[in-house]
Amino acid sequence: EIVLTQSPATLSLSPGERATLSCRASQSISSYLAWYQQKPGQAPRLLIYDASNRATGIPARFSGSGSGTDFTLTISSLEPEDFAVYYCQQRYNWPLTFGGGTKVEIK
Amino acid sequence: EVQLVESGGGLIQPGGSLRLSCAASGFTVTNNYMSWVRQAPGKGLECVSFIYSGGSSYYAESVKGRFTISRDTSKNTIYLQMNSLRDEDTAVYYCARGGSGNLPRDYFDYWGQGTLVTVSS
Repeated sequence: EIVLTQSPATLSLSPGERATLSCRASQSISSYLAWYQQKPGQAPRLLIYDASNRATGIPARFSGSGSGTDFTLTISSLEPEDFAVYYCQQRYNWPLTFGGGTKVEIK
Repeated sequence: EVQLVESGGGLIQPGGSLRLSCAASGFTVTNNYMSWVRQAPGKGLECVSFIYSGGSSYYAESVKGRFTISRDTSKNTIYLQMNSLRDEDTAVYYCARGGSGNLPRDYFDYWGQGTLVTVSS
């Protein structure tokens, strides 16, 4: 099973600041990684797929990069609605696995 | 408009059974991979079961032999039969749709609102 480790666990930032979230895979997963956003009481929402492709309707301030074992989600300038928990997910092989999440909170 | 509506959650004693339903609209469930993803209270996400377009299925080791995923094409609905429930199965269970078109099938582009399953005596 591929383990995804996200860091940091919590990121405390102010609106307008840049957020950089990390996801590291226990083995190479090529570019087969997605990012989701989850707000309290809501289902996750797909943001980025295959490392760097924005899903339909996702604002350009969200971007993804990386390949192999190291991946990054960047939010260029945090909006109030971006404070949430972010998860990465790999599809390189079964079982599909998710990271433990990074909470982006208001500083 | 794509919608997924789960139902069937509730409080159940350890060892009991429950069947979750996921009614889909706006697309046909046989055209997409469909999955049940759960989230224990305050925890992360776990894909527990998956059904492919062709009908074959996958189960996480944690539920293998206890859970069964199925679908009813006439009702455009996905089910999760959960038997021999354990305390650790307590979670919100989400129904999620696998991608189509340019989006790979094993990413999830639509999710239901979730249904809470609580296993407790």
